[in-house]
Amino acid sequence: DADVTQTPRNRITKTGKRIMLECSQTKGHDRMYWYRQDPGLGLRLIYYSFDVKDINKGEISDGYSVSRQAQAKFSLSLESAIPNQTALYFCATSERYRGRRNEQFFGPGTRLTVL
Amino acid sequence: DQQVKQNSPSLSVQEGRISILNCDYTNSMFDYFLWYKKYPAEGPTFLISISSIKDKNEDGRFTVFLNKSAKHLSLHIVPSQPGDSAVYFCAASGQGAQKLVFGQGTRLTINP
Repeated sequence: DADVTQTPRNRITKTGKRIMLECSQTKGHDRMYWYRQDPGLGLRLIYYSFDVKDINKGEISDGYSVSRQAQAKFSLSLESAIPNQTALYFCATSERYRGRRNEQFFGPGTRLTVL
Repeated sequence: DQQVKQNSPSLSVQEGRISILNCDYTNSMFDYFLWYKKYPAEGPTFLISISSIKDKNEDGRFTVFLNKSAKHLSLHIVPSQPGDSAVYFCAASGQGAQKLVFGQGTRLTINP
């Protein structure tokens, strides 16, 4: 069973629609992250959460919001989707500093297309 | 401003030869560097890392070199195998933070 799961895996939506991407983890990690991947730009951090009550903006948070419903669940919302939010979205987790510092474990990704 | 740069979008290497992937960074506060490997339809997976107190770290066929004065790191894969064909991302963090800054990625293709 996958340790970090994302739903849906693929989604096509229209401009202006609200959409939620969900992430769940069974690794017991405190820290969770949302990234988007675009060709030629690599992975860019949208939001991150170091525990349930700690939510922080990343480098490209405009147009997105998040909710940390529990230690194991971290959702990303697009309130009003626009075409330039078409991308591959990844959720990741990490534990507090121990051993391999800063190693993050990624989910399989959600491919989002906004028409 | 791209703080971590992988200037080669793609690299093609013959099976059995050495693959060298490069990464440059601009932020002198970065003190920990990681390489991730990504196959299609999967998330990135951790490959190898290096702390700034070292200049080399090895793990089997994979070796990462760090040149702090040049703000440059490289990943060497010897010998290259067809299963190494993937996109490789370098990432950096600093000041004890658990945020990672990623490069753009390099697509490595190993030819038989």
